Amino acid sequence: GNSVTQMEGPVTLSEEAFLTINCTYTATGYPSLFWYVQYPGEGLQLLLKATKADDKGSNKGFEATYRKETTSFHLEKGSVQVSDSAVYFCALSAGTSYGKLTFGQGTILTVHP
Amino acid sequence: NAGVMQNPRHLVRRRGQEARLRCSPMKGHSHVYWYRQLPEEGLKFMVYLQKENIIDESGMPKERFSAEFPKEGPSILRIQQVVRGDSAAYFCASSPPSTSSYNEQFFGPGTRLTVL
Repeated sequence: GNSVTQMEGPVTLSEEAFLTINCTYTATGYPSLFWYVQYPGEGLQLLLKATKADDKGSNKGFEATYRKETTSFHLEKGSVQVSDSAVYFCALSAGTSYGKLTFGQGTILTVHP
Repeated sequence: NAGVMQNPRHLVRRRGQEARLRCSPMKGHSHVYWYRQLPEEGLKFMVYLQKENIIDESGMPKERFSAEFPKEGPSILRIQQVVRGDSAAYFCASSPPSTSSYNEQFFGPGTRLTVL
């Protein structure tokens, strides 16, 4: 079946530090890959996506590249801000039921001034 | 355009009671998804519905749980005879009708169910 594995958290960084959150996946066929962000008390928001191998998704300074050879979709940001503190979820959509998203367990990011 | 609405935001039930969670999709969206987030875990897919149809319910527990999305009105996730293990955050998402292989899902703020 499909599955997503994220790096263990939580992650604590100082402002302007470099961020990497690892994400690897197993899937049937050719999945689409996503990063969602959840701010306290809110629902999930789509941060970025990539739908085929070697695609790079980017948004708000965050980037992730779809690596088929390593089945990975790591999230990166060159300089984090306090406002980036949130929970980040890696997810995929694959197989015959494209409506279904399979999520990783989430990574809590805290950025200190 | 209002986002996905869920109510109530917080729901407390005693063991054995029924819980009804409501989800109003974004305007123009005809696809609804329900996910459950247990403490310290990621979101798990439960069910995918279109108007008056259940498309995929592979994530729904076989007993006590049901979902509907009627022609008029919100989608309802119903949990009968709740148990403590049902305590979780339940998220609804919606997407527009599309012929593409993936429809972006827009999430509501969730309903946090606590079973005493």
